[in-house]
Amino acid sequence: GQQVMQIPQYQHVQEGEDFTTYCNSSTTLSNIQWYKQRPGGHPVFLIQLVKSGEVKKQKRLTFQFGEAKKNSSLHITATQTTDVGTYFCARVNRDDKIIFGKGTRLHILP
Amino acid sequence: GAGVSQSPRYKVAKRGQDVALRCDPISGHVSLFWYQQALGQGPEFLTYFQNEAQLDKSGLPSDRFFAERPEGSVSTLKIQRTQQEDSAVYLCASSLGGQGIGYTFGSGTRLTVV
Repeated sequence: GQQVMQIPQYQHVQEGEDFTTYCNSSTTLSNIQWYKQRPGGHPVFLIQLVKSGEVKKQKRLTFQFGEAKKNSSLHITATQTTDVGTYFCARVNRDDKIIFGKGTRLHILP
Repeated sequence: GAGVSQSPRYKVAKRGQDVALRCDPISGHVSLFWYQQALGQGPEFLTYFQNEAQLDKSGLPSDRFFAERPEGSVSTLKIQRTQQEDSAVYLCASSLGGQGIGYTFGSGTRLTVV
């Protein structure tokens, strides 16, 4: 269906290590959005990618959109305890409806 | 207001009870969405309004769920005869509208049906 698939479902990393989560779709995406949800919190919009092959950076976070616009990734360099949470990718349909992936839950080991 | 406001923050309902969840979007935001998030899962789409018009209600799990936004601002999600499987966090989000603008989510209402 229209679901976007995220892997891995869970990731444990030592503080200071890098982290990457991947988002895949069976169909071409018009755009992809990324959200972060802290434990007990609500999803917070991080970024939107629109163009094929697009790369955007926010401090230690790097977002990529695949050339075929069927996949995306979020990479965090040198993780910190504040990075803990679940990272969701979401596709935006033409009718504005956002369909979320199941998320990748990031745990940071001190 | 500065953000999306949802009330109540927590709600405990006895099975069979009706509940009403309120969402106050950011002023001027045209689009309003309701999502249901079960523990450990991603938000699942329920319904969508553009101003007062409900454009999509395909995600509502059953006819016990009803949403309205009569004046194009505040929205209410009503659940009749609550069941245990309705226990979840109900998130409201709003946006200015137009494709690809990030949504602003409220803090959600955690509904527990006992």
